[in-house]
Amino acid sequence: GESVGLHLPTLSVQEGDNSIINCAYSNSASDYFIWYKQESGKGPQFIIDIRSNMDKRQGQRVTVLLNKTVKHLSLQIAATQPGDSAVYFCAECTTSGSRLTFGEGTQLTVNP
Amino acid sequence: DSGVTQTPKHLITATGQRVTLRCSPRSGDLSVYWYQQSLDQGLQFLIQYYNGEERAKGNILERFSAQQFPDLHSELNLSSLELGDSALYFCASSVGWEEGRYGYTFGSGTRLTVV
Repeated sequence: GESVGLHLPTLSVQEGDNSIINCAYSNSASDYFIWYKQESGKGPQFIIDIRSNMDKRQGQRVTVLLNKTVKHLSLQIAATQPGDSAVYFCAECTTSGSRLTFGEGTQLTVNP
Repeated sequence: DSGVTQTPKHLITATGQRVTLRCSPRSGDLSVYWYQQSLDQGLQFLIQYYNGEERAKGNILERFSAQQFPDLHSELNLSSLELGDSALYFCASSVGWEEGRYGYTFGSGTRLTVV
């Protein structure tokens, strides 16, 4: 069935390094993708989104890359800080109104 | 503060009991979504309401039900509770019914513990 998965369940980086969190999706019809950040005990928080007519989108310290050919999505966090420690989820759907499907999440740990 | 309000934040109850979780969406949002997040699972979609009507159903148990009221707040009712129902329950809201156009805003969740 349709699913969104993540390559790594955990990622540990040093403070100041760049982080890359990956996501693979299986529904080739998906044209809208979102990254969420969930800190311990809190609800998922929107980070950045991208639509399929784009390959790259940048926010503040974050960049999302979309490779439709291999159905791969990545979130890059520049100069990772301790406050970036959280679980990161990718989610995908179609703009025609399909269910927003969440991946299983990657736990990012930033070491001081 | 995301603008989506969920109460209570924590709930401890015994097996077999019934509880009601409440969600107030962001001002202007018409859609409400309920999700369950267990320790060993990701976000599992339960149900969606749009402007008072049920819009979509996910893996929601028959012991669970929900509704959205005229003021757009929503309640999730969980009955005959089992230990396995212990989880975080999130509510999210959106302007429209098409997530692909608007995305979600999540509340901070209700942590349910069944003992």
